[in-house]
Amino acid sequence: EAGVVQSPRYKIIEKKQPVAFWCNPISGHNTLYWYRQNLGQGPELLIRYENEEAVDDSQLPKDRFSAERLKGVDSTLKIQPAELGDSAVYLCASKGGGAADTQYFGPGTRLTVL
Amino acid sequence: SQQGEEDPQALSIQEGENATMNCSYKTSINNLQWYRQNSGRGLVHLILIRSNEREKHSGRLRVTLDTSKKSSSLLITASRAADTASYFCATAPNTGGFKTIFGAGTRLFVKA
Repeated sequence: EAGVVQSPRYKIIEKKQPVAFWCNPISGHNTLYWYRQNLGQGPELLIRYENEEAVDDSQLPKDRFSAERLKGVDSTLKIQPAELGDSAVYLCASKGGGAADTQYFGPGTRLTVL
Repeated sequence: SQQGEEDPQALSIQEGENATMNCSYKTSINNLQWYRQNSGRGLVHLILIRSNEREKHSGRLRVTLDTSKKSSSLLITASRAADTASYFCATAPNTGGFKTIFGAGTRLFVKA
């Protein structure tokens, strides 16, 4: 079974430029998460989807961040415009149905904003 | 803000020794999970312990949970160099919803 796929793995941009990250969750997983992980810290939730509905986006900086999950499968996370403080690893995770809370993480996209 | 706080922040041991990491949290939880993250990789789920459980084992891993003290510990026995990684506890608060909150992690270095 393929795991969670993310692309690109690395991205370097100049501040004020836009950037987008893509995630393909494990097949059949209805729940999808986007996390941001700063250096030396644990992941912090940005947004959680149940199918195509964003059910928890309270931590998403909506002035510059946006996300979508069309058809309840793949998802994209966009930052426009990027700021220096956005440099971090952006992790996508998915979870299947049922009571289990195990999340399966992708390898992440390391963003560097210059 | 992150609910779980791991202790110590970093741990260096010799191969074959046991490694113990602790996690404290603030609110009541449904369950607590431990994840491992190798450098430059995503997180990998290790073990989940529910709020009505006190101890759980998985291979060389032993997890305990004390809900009265709002704390958990992860013990890795007979450590190997391949155990070198960051370890995170993640809590699922029982305040409704399905939020999972990660701590800042313990960085474990196992010397061969």
